[in-house]
Amino acid sequence: AQTVTQSQPEMSVQEAETVTLSCTYDTSESDYYLFWYKQPPSRQMILVIRQEAYKQQNATENRFSVNFQKAAKSFSLKISDSQLGDAAMYFCAYRDSGSEKLVFGKGTKLTVNP
Amino acid sequence: GAGVSQSPSNKVTEKGKDVELRCDPISGHTALYWYRQSLGQGLEFLIYFQGNSAPDKSGLPSDRFSAERTGGSVSTLTIQRTQQEDSAVYLCASSLAWGAKNIQYFGAGTRLSVL
Repeated sequence: AQTVTQSQPEMSVQEAETVTLSCTYDTSESDYYLFWYKQPPSRQMILVIRQEAYKQQNATENRFSVNFQKAAKSFSLKISDSQLGDAAMYFCAYRDSGSEKLVFGKGTKLTVNP
Repeated sequence: GAGVSQSPSNKVTEKGKDVELRCDPISGHTALYWYRQSLGQGLEFLIYFQGNSAPDKSGLPSDRFSAERTGGSVSTLTIQRTQQEDSAVYLCASSLAWGAKNIQYFGAGTRLSVL
C-alpha cells in the first residue's frame, strides 16, 4: 500500500521569510498525483497545489511551489514571503491514477511568527 | 452551492446512539468522498461515490458504518451504536469527476464526540 510521510510535525517561520515542508511517499506506481492541502483552524481543507507525476516541471501557485523529485519519491512544498495567514496544518497527499482515494501524511503544523 | 457543506458542524452523542452526518457537495460535482480525521490515525479514506453508487467502500471501519447518496447530490454517513473510538472529525469532499479530473474540494467537517 502507498504511504506518505511528513517527517516534520511542526515548523515555524518568520513573516516574509521562506519555509520548506518535506514529504516523501512510497509507491510502485509510475502514474500518480501529489497534492498539498492546508487546514486552518476552521477545519476546511484547502487545496494549495497539485503535481502530476508525468510532468517534470515543478508546479507553482503564486507564493507556493513544489520540488518534485520522482526518483527520490520526494515532494516538498516551499512557501515564499510567508504571511500570518499561512499558519495552518499542511498535509501532503498522494493518489495513484488507478484509484480515487487520497492517502494523506500525518501533517505539519506551520507557525508564522510576526 | 459555492462549496461543500456539511452538517451538523459539531455533534455530541452518547455511546450506543446512532448518528447521521450530512454532506452537500459542490453543485455539478459527480464524485463524493468521506474521510475521517482522528488524533491517532490522521486522515483516513472511508468511501467514495460515483453518482449514487459506491465503487469503493474499503475504508469503512466496521458494519456499523454505512453511507448513501441520493439524486447524485446529498450524501449521508450513518454510524450505528456509536463507540468512543468513533470520535473524530468526518470530512466530506467532492470532485467534478473521477480519474484525471479528480481534484477533491473539502467541507469543514463534522466533529463527532461520543461520550
